[in-house]
Amino acid sequence: SYELTQPPSVSVSPGQTATITCSGQKLGQRYTSWYQLKPGQSPVLVIYRDTERPSGIPERFSGSNSGNTATLTISGTQTVDEGDFYCLAWDSSTAWVFGGGTRVTVL
Amino acid sequence: EVQLVESGGGLVKPGGSLRLSCAASKFAFSRYTMNWVRQAPGKGLEWVSSISNVNNYIYYKDSVKGRFSISRDNANSSLFLQMHSLRAEDTAVYYCAGQPDGDDAFEMWGQGTMVTVSS
Repeated sequence: SYELTQPPSVSVSPGQTATITCSGQKLGQRYTSWYQLKPGQSPVLVIYRDTERPSGIPERFSGSNSGNTATLTISGTQTVDEGDFYCLAWDSSTAWVFGGGTRVTVL
Repeated sequence: EVQLVESGGGLVKPGGSLRLSCAASKFAFSRYTMNWVRQAPGKGLEWVSSISNVNNYIYYKDSVKGRFSISRDNANSSLFLQMHSLRAEDTAVYYCAGQPDGDDAFEMWGQGTMVTVSS
């Protein structure tokens, strides 16, 4: 079955850049989307089709995808960006697959 | 404002059944593939099932195949998940999520409904 691997946690200082990776076999050949989940809230789509940002999502969120790794970058990270981030991709044999999630802490 | 509202969660004994509903409003429900996603306590997001907007293509996570059944009523903008033979590991918040036709992301999410499987 297809798997997506994310680091469990990422720490970043306010104003710095947070980089969250998502690794999977030939992931660059699939579209990846990213979701932010905060305690007590519903997930929010922050990046779709590897690099596209939905309306209302700040420009500091960006994405890329190549080879076996998709990356979510938060530039100028703010304390409001804390939360758990999940990547999502489709596999023809497994259907939808989420990564294990990455907790972003802004210290 | 676009809305997805889940209902039907609750406490059920192992082996029991439960039917979740998701009511959609203020968007073209019939043009969206719909999904169920869950999050067990202290765990990550886990996709459970999908149903397409046309032809009703249906997919399930392996661990729920044969126990869960997804369906939709486009006339009433509703999504359902019938769950049988529930296990403790099915305990989770269940979200419905909408995926625009031809798109590859879950654009909108409900607030979730809690399912607890315990004796």
